[in-house]
Amino acid sequence: ETGVTQTPRHLVMGMTNKKSLKCEQHLGHNAMYWYKQSAKKPLELMFVYNFKEQTENNSVPSRFSPECPNSSHLFLHLHTLQPEDSALYLCASSHPGLAGDNEQFFGPGTRLTVL
Amino acid sequence: KQEVTQIPAALSVPEGENLVLNCSFTDSAIYNLQWFRQDPGKGLTSLLLIQSSQREQTSGRLNASLDKSSGRSTLYIAASQPGDSATYLCAVLLFGNEKLTFGTGTRLTIIP
Repeated sequence: ETGVTQTPRHLVMGMTNKKSLKCEQHLGHNAMYWYKQSAKKPLELMFVYNFKEQTENNSVPSRFSPECPNSSHLFLHLHTLQPEDSALYLCASSHPGLAGDNEQFFGPGTRLTVL
Repeated sequence: KQEVTQIPAALSVPEGENLVLNCSFTDSAIYNLQWFRQDPGKGLTSLLLIQSSQREQTSGRLNASLDKSSGRSTLYIAASQPGDSATYLCAVLLFGNEKLTFGTGTRLTIIP
């Protein structure tokens, strides 16, 4: 088990539902990331937070809404999703300010299915 | 735009053999390169990280090399075991950028 946890591990939701994914890191890092992994495609970065401030939004649709209340917690709020949003959503953390580091550590992911 | 390619997409080798996985990238201005392992339906486990100033890193039976000028990295696995079966991903981080760019991975199967 890594120092990055994600809940829930599996989620099935309808297109009209609202749900949230949660990520928590216990590594003392100050940057957190959301990635999407779809079948047959490379991992895609969605959002980056550094010291709780969003520093990157990789052209993600507004039906995905991130929240970072502190450096240890990251949420992804979901609403009115589409079936093509079904994927594995991965959270990661790192410590960009540390010289010679910035290694990213990943959580186990949330397998999302949109019906 | 950085592009990362991993060939082959899938590889099967008998147990005990040594093997090499390949990763190539288009922009050589990288900060670091990471190799990850992913088991089916699971998250990513970081295996090795090579800084731009380094040529290789070793951990146990794994050795990763980096040649920035040619835009290539290799992951060498010695004395392969069935437990090494997984998808191996490489990812590069550019200078001044927080975005890791991933390859599509090589799915490795070790045959007992």
